[in-house]
Amino acid sequence: AQSVTQLGSHVSVSEGALVLLRCNYSSSVPPYLFWYVQYPNQGLQLLLKYTSAATLVKGINGFEAEFKKSETSFHLTKPSAHMSDAAEYFCAVTITGTASKLTFGTGTRLQVTL
Amino acid sequence: DAGVTQSPTHLIKTRGQQVTLRCSPKSGHDTVSWYQQALGQGPQFIFQYYEEEERQRGNFPDRFSGHQFPNYSSELNVNALLLGDSALYLCASSFSGSTEAFFGQGTRLTVV
Repeated sequence: AQSVTQLGSHVSVSEGALVLLRCNYSSSVPPYLFWYVQYPNQGLQLLLKYTSAATLVKGINGFEAEFKKSETSFHLTKPSAHMSDAAEYFCAVTITGTASKLTFGTGTRLQVTL
Repeated sequence: DAGVTQSPTHLIKTRGQQVTLRCSPKSGHDTVSWYQQALGQGPQFIFQYYEEEERQRGNFPDRFSGHQFPNYSSELNVNALLLGDSALYLCASSFSGSTEAFFGQGTRLTVV
């Protein structure tokens, strides 16, 4: 079975600082990996996805993630944090290559301070 | 495009009761998945419907059942509610074969 582990349930950064949210995966077959963002009282919005094409994936709102097979990682980064980035971020994995049975991590709450 | 819509947005039920949650998928989507998100946790996959049949199921008891209609909309039914069923229930729709799922705003179920 596949799984993801998000290191750090809470991350706090200053506005303008680098954002780094960590995600490690476990899968016996090549995985498909996703990052979603959830704002308070909202559903999930897809930030970016890795589907075995380019290992560096660019998403919306200036976020990007790099798939590193040797480290089984798919960390999410943004060069400069904005107050509007404060939200809950979820890493997810599936092995089917389709939008089916996503397995989510426990989430990382990003706080952005002035 | 209305996106994925779920109803109701909030619901309070008593232990032992039954509840039905509804989901209308994004236009053009034919696949609906349901997830349960407990407070402070990531979403957990309940099941997925395609062509009016349950295609995949997660580790949830038979108290959780669903249905998909010919117009691709879907219902999630939960019988004999427990306090532990209190959660945000998310519906996600996709086009079969696509890698991207679109989520609704969710239904917040509180069992008292």
